Amino acid sequence: GAVVSQHPSWVICKSGTSVKIECRSLDFQATTMFWYRQFPKQSLMLMATSNEGSKATYEQGVEKDKFLINHASLTLSTLTVTSAHPEDSSFYICSAGLDEGTYGYTFGSGTRLTVV
Amino acid sequence: AQSVTQPDIHITVSEGASLELRCNYSYGATPYLFWYVQSPGQGLQLLLKYFSGDTLVQGIKGFEAEFKRSQSSFNLRKPSVHWSDAAEYFCAVGAGGNKLVFGAGTILRVKS
Repeated sequence: GAVVSQHPSWVICKSGTSVKIECRSLDFQATTMFWYRQFPKQSLMLMATSNEGSKATYEQGVEKDKFLINHASLTLSTLTVTSAHPEDSSFYICSAGLDEGTYGYTFGSGTRLTVV
Repeated sequence: AQSVTQPDIHITVSEGASLELRCNYSYGATPYLFWYVQSPGQGLQLLLKYFSGDTLVQGIKGFEAEFKRSQSSFNLRKPSVHWSDAAEYFCAVGAGGNKLVFGAGTILRVKS
């Protein structure tokens, strides 16, 4: 089955630094990947849709200059949180899949980001 | 706009007892509906999904869900809960373009 690998699992960084999170599809090629954010005790909120070879599509209210998404290949999408601040501390999850139009998406294991 | 409501934030059931987690959705057309489970600090695992056809959907780990259009509901059920089922459960609706809109989640606690 489709496997999505997300790294790192957790990261602690200092305020003002940047952090990169990787999402890889291990056994399939994904033209589309999604990035979600989950605050403690809250649901997942879609941040952006990552399209291979083109610019990401951001949801309303998500700062595209702060959350940089790159989808340079069919198996890798990255999310970079730039100039991180404590309010960016959250759980970030990516998803990718094979079945376009049928929501056949697999989620990564998530990245816990803590900004101190 | 699409939305999903999970009325129960927490539910506690005894091991071996039956379980029903509620989910109501708002969507203009025939919805694509999903249930996911998330263990602490982990990603999401798909339990089951409904696209069309039989309104009673069977999933993994002994879960099932029933789509009721008249009630805009997609409740998740399991006849006998195991301690390993303790986790957070999310209902979601497909929002077009392969995007998912999630409910707020229901935390399931299982007491022995």
